[in-house]
Amino acid sequence: DIQMTQSPSSLSASVGDRVTITCRASQSISNYLNWYQQKPGKAPKLLIYAASSLQTGVPSTFSGSGSGTDFTLTISSLQPEDFATYYCQQSYTTLWTFGQGTKVEIK
Amino acid sequence: QVQLQESGPGLEKASETLSLTCTVSGGSISSGGYSWSWIRQPAGKGLEWIGRIHTSGSTKYNPSLKSRLTMAVDTSKNQFSLKLSSVTAADTAVYYCAREDWSGSRYSDYWGQGTLVTVSS
Repeated sequence: DIQMTQSPSSLSASVGDRVTITCRASQSISNYLNWYQQKPGKAPKLLIYAASSLQTGVPSTFSGSGSGTDFTLTISSLQPEDFATYYCQQSYTTLWTFGQGTKVEIK
Repeated sequence: QVQLQESGPGLEKASETLSLTCTVSGGSISSGGYSWSWIRQPAGKGLEWIGRIHTSGSTKYNPSLKSRLTMAVDTSKNQFSLKLSSVTAADTAVYYCAREDWSGSRYSDYWGQGTLVTVSS
């Protein structure tokens, strides 16, 4: 199985801050990397697919980059509705795996 | 707009078989380029991909659950299902169904709201 490791596990930030979350794969996954946002009691929501493609309807304050084993999710200006947990997911192999999540909290 | 809805008992006894169904609306489950999956999340923990099924009947299961897992699809009802046998407290989680887009990039774009399954001893 491909292991996905996110860092940090949690962070505190203020509205307007630039936030970066990283995700590392245990082997190369090309650009088969997706990012999801999950709010308490809700299903995950697709934000970014193929490492850097913004899903329809997702604000342009979200962006993704990377290829191979190292990826980042950036929120350019944190908004109140962005406080949530973020998960990366690899879809390179037929067995998809998630990172452990990064919780973004209000400072 | 595609919608998915999980259904099934919210409480199972240990050693029994957990059965869940996902009903797809707003689109055909047989549409090309898609597979249908299950993901679970224990309280306060991360997401675990359980497995997927295609309307052809082909399946892929997480090896950690493979010996206890069966998935099926009913195209006439636009539904797919999961059965997990010999459940224990470790199987207590919110179970989500989701659509996987395999038409190019691969991702889960539509999810059900999730259903909590509690395994009691």
